[in-house]
Amino acid sequence: DIVLTQSPLSLPVTPGEPASISCRSSQSLLHTTGHNYLDWFLQRPGQSPQLLIYLASNRASGVPDRFSGSGSGTEFTLEISRVEPEDVGVYYCMQALQSCTFGQGTRLEIK
Amino acid sequence: DVQLVESGGTLVQPGGSLRLSCAASGFTFSDHSLNWVRQAPGKGLEWVSSISETGTYTYYADSVRGRFTISRDNARDSLYLQMNSLRADDTAVYYCARRGAASLGNYYYYYYMDVWGKGTTVTVS
Repeated sequence: DIVLTQSPLSLPVTPGEPASISCRSSQSLLHTTGHNYLDWFLQRPGQSPQLLIYLASNRASGVPDRFSGSGSGTEFTLEISRVEPEDVGVYYCMQALQSCTFGQGTRLEIK
Repeated sequence: DVQLVESGGTLVQPGGSLRLSCAASGFTFSDHSLNWVRQAPGKGLEWVSSISETGTYTYYADSVRGRFTISRDNARDSLYLQMNSLRADDTAVYYCARRGAASLGNYYYYYYMDVWGKGTTVTVS
């Protein structure tokens, strides 16, 4: 099974400052199509998850452009250029190359 | 509005059965494959099962294979999860999620979970 390890697990951020979350995979997520089968989700408090990024770097519809995804193979990063209060919640990476598994989550909080 | 609404969650005894439903609206249901994803109290997300657009293909996590059955009724725009032999570790909020598709060329598509319901709570105790 592919294991995803996120870091940090907790991320206090001052509004307006950037934030970065890492997701490391136990196996390469690069498919033969040349795309990395990794997504990012945000689960705000009390809400269901929402898709932010798919295929490692494609922003989902309606997602603000302050969110960006990068990486390839086994190392991936979600970056928020300027954190806003509504970005609070738990961020999950998810791989879809072999079945489907999620990282353990990174809790972003406002300082 | 595109919407998924889960129902059927309740308190059930270990060894019991339960059927969850997910009603879809605002999109062409039969054009999309679907997932069930669960979240145990205070824990992260766990994929449970997927079903193809026509229901021909189904997939399960090892933790539920042989106990849970996913199905759909495209005439009723509804997704189901039949849960048998329930255990305490099946306690969770169960979400249904629509799978959108991105063309990768050469007849490949990538499926991502682009719409989620609010979830229904299953407690096994």
